Amino acid sequence: DAGVTQSPTHLIKTRGQQVTLRCSPKSGHDTVSWYQQALGQGPQFIFQYYEEEERQRGNFPDRFSGHQFPNYSSELNVNALLLGDSALYLCASSLTTDYEQYFGPGTRLTVT
Amino acid sequence: DQQVKQNSPSLSVQEGRISILNCDYTNSMFDYFLWYKKYPAEGPTFLISISSIKDKNEDGRFTVFLNKSAKHLSLHIVPSQPGDSAVYFCAASELGGEKLTFGTGTRLTIIP
Repeated sequence: DAGVTQSPTHLIKTRGQQVTLRCSPKSGHDTVSWYQQALGQGPQFIFQYYEEEERQRGNFPDRFSGHQFPNYSSELNVNALLLGDSALYLCASSLTTDYEQYFGPGTRLTVT
Repeated sequence: DQQVKQNSPSLSVQEGRISILNCDYTNSMFDYFLWYKKYPAEGPTFLISISSIKDKNEDGRFTVFLNKSAKHLSLHIVPSQPGDSAVYFCAASELGGEKLTFGTGTRLTIIP
């Protein structure tokens, strides 16, 4: 049974560019959340998707957007990249009825 | 506004002894608490959780204690093993909440 998978593993982008990160949830899970983890910090909640809709959003600008597909996989898009967007981006999946979220290995984004 | 605080950035414990990791929170709306363990280059791994209606939850070598009046929880690992060396994150969720709010983590090193 595959856990949460994310692609790509690493990514280097230039300021002003756009990036798309992808996530496949753990089998049986219907909810996907995205987090940003800066160096030395805990993960910060970006947003959560359930039934292809954004259910809750953290304190992130509109440059961060997402999508959930009918098969529950999800994408995170970031436009107009800033140097400060450099971080580890984590995807977590869960059942909508449960508190426990299960994380993927993350995508390391570097903005130069 | 750091709603979940882990005031010890690091902790070293002898193999076989007890490891105690602490976490404080300020948001009285938090209803569910979780501990995650993170190895380098991997996503956080769910360890153990506790609902606010309980004061203790045990799973093998791991026990979480919750003191609601003090807004404090702790994770006890006994006996500590070398494989327990990792960064440990405390996280919390509000009732029916979708997002997890994380602390900044404590790096645990088990000394053989």
